[in-house]
Amino acid sequence: ETVMTQSPATLSVSPGERATLSCRASQSVSSNLAWYQQKPGQAPRLLIYGASTRATGIPARFSGSGSGTEFTLTISSLQSEDFAVYYCQQYNNWPLTFGQGTRLEIK
Amino acid sequence: QITLKESGPTLVKPTQTLTLTCTFSGFSLSTSGVGVGWIRQPPGKALEWLALIYWDDDKRYSPSLKSRLTITKDTSKNQVVLTMTNMDPVDTATYYCAHEDANFDYWGQGTLVTVSS
Repeated sequence: ETVMTQSPATLSVSPGERATLSCRASQSVSSNLAWYQQKPGQAPRLLIYGASTRATGIPARFSGSGSGTEFTLTISSLQSEDFAVYYCQQYNNWPLTFGQGTRLEIK
Repeated sequence: QITLKESGPTLVKPTQTLTLTCTFSGFSLSTSGVGVGWIRQPPGKALEWLALIYWDDDKRYSPSLKSRLTITKDTSKNQVVLTMTNMDPVDTATYYCAHEDANFDYWGQGTLVTVSS
């Protein structure tokens, strides 16, 4: 099983600042990596797929990078609505696996 | 416009079998490449993928739960059904179904299932 490890568990950032979230895979997942945003009481929302492609309607301040085993989600200038939990997920290997999440909170 | 909605019991007893239905619209499970998956999330915890069924009836399961899961589809009704046997309190979670296009691009609202006697 491909284990996805996200860091940090919690990230405190001020509005307007940049946030950088990391995701590491225990084996190569090529570029088959997605990022999701989840707000309390809501279903996850797809942000990024293919490691770096924004999903439909996702603002340009969200960007993804990486390949193989190391991936990064960057939010360039945090808005109030961006404070949420973020999950990475690999879809290169069976079984599909998610990271444990990074909680992005207001500093 | 793709939408999905989960339905099923909110409370099940330990050892019982859970049956959840995902009813969707905006796509067809007879279209090549399309899949529908189930993902769950215990309260305050991370997402866990459970199962996936494809347009050609190919089925994939989480190895840790494979012996307890069955996923089926009814293309004519636009539904996917997940059954999980021998439910335990640790299976208490919100269960989501989602449209799969390599990744999960559309999700249902989720349904909270509590396992308790």
